[in-house]
Amino acid sequence: AQTVTQSQPEMSVQEAETVTLSCTYDTSESDYYLFWYKQPPSRQMILVIRQEAYKQQNATENRFSVNFQKAAKSFSLKISDSQLGDAAMYFCAYRSNVGGNKLVFGAGTILRVKS
Amino acid sequence: EPEVTQTPSHQVTQMGQEVILRCVPISNHLYFYWYRQILGQKVEFLVSFYNNEISEKSEIFDDQFSVERPDGSNFTLKIRSTKLEDSAMYFCASRPAATYNEQFFGPGTRLTVL
Repeated sequence: AQTVTQSQPEMSVQEAETVTLSCTYDTSESDYYLFWYKQPPSRQMILVIRQEAYKQQNATENRFSVNFQKAAKSFSLKISDSQLGDAAMYFCAYRSNVGGNKLVFGAGTILRVKS
Repeated sequence: EPEVTQTPSHQVTQMGQEVILRCVPISNHLYFYWYRQILGQKVEFLVSFYNNEISEKSEIFDDQFSVERPDGSNFTLKIRSTKLEDSAMYFCASRPAATYNEQFFGPGTRLTVL
């Protein structure tokens, strides 16, 4: 079974600075998808960014980018120019492209943004 | 922009009672999911549903749980006899097609079992 590990329970960043959240995963599959979800205090799950495993190019969405290292099974999220509204819980998630479509989530990282 | 809705936002029930959590997925979506998140813990998959049947379920999804799409728009999760440990946030999600990867999440229902 696939597992997702987020080793940083909590991170802090100064407003306008850059922060990187770590995620590693374990799988024997070669075709899969990876996601970062943001969960603000409202607890709504909001998709931040996605990465297809077959794509070598790292995904980017405005201030959010990933560093996808397939061989190392690593999928980190970089937030540039951090804003107060970025403060939230961030979950890394894995989705197989074979069989079931469920998302497997990591334990999450709380991001605090200091003004 | 279409969104997944869930009702109620908060449900309080007594242990042993039945609860039904309701979700209205985005209208042209075909794949439906329930996840739960116990306070302070990770989000866990419960069940996926496609073509009017369960396509996958987790170990958590035992005989006390059931899902239904009764009228082509609602997608419900029923817990027959609630336990204290069922207290959690329950999220519904939907996805339009097999080739589309993103699951769209609803705002969640907070279930409190007393």
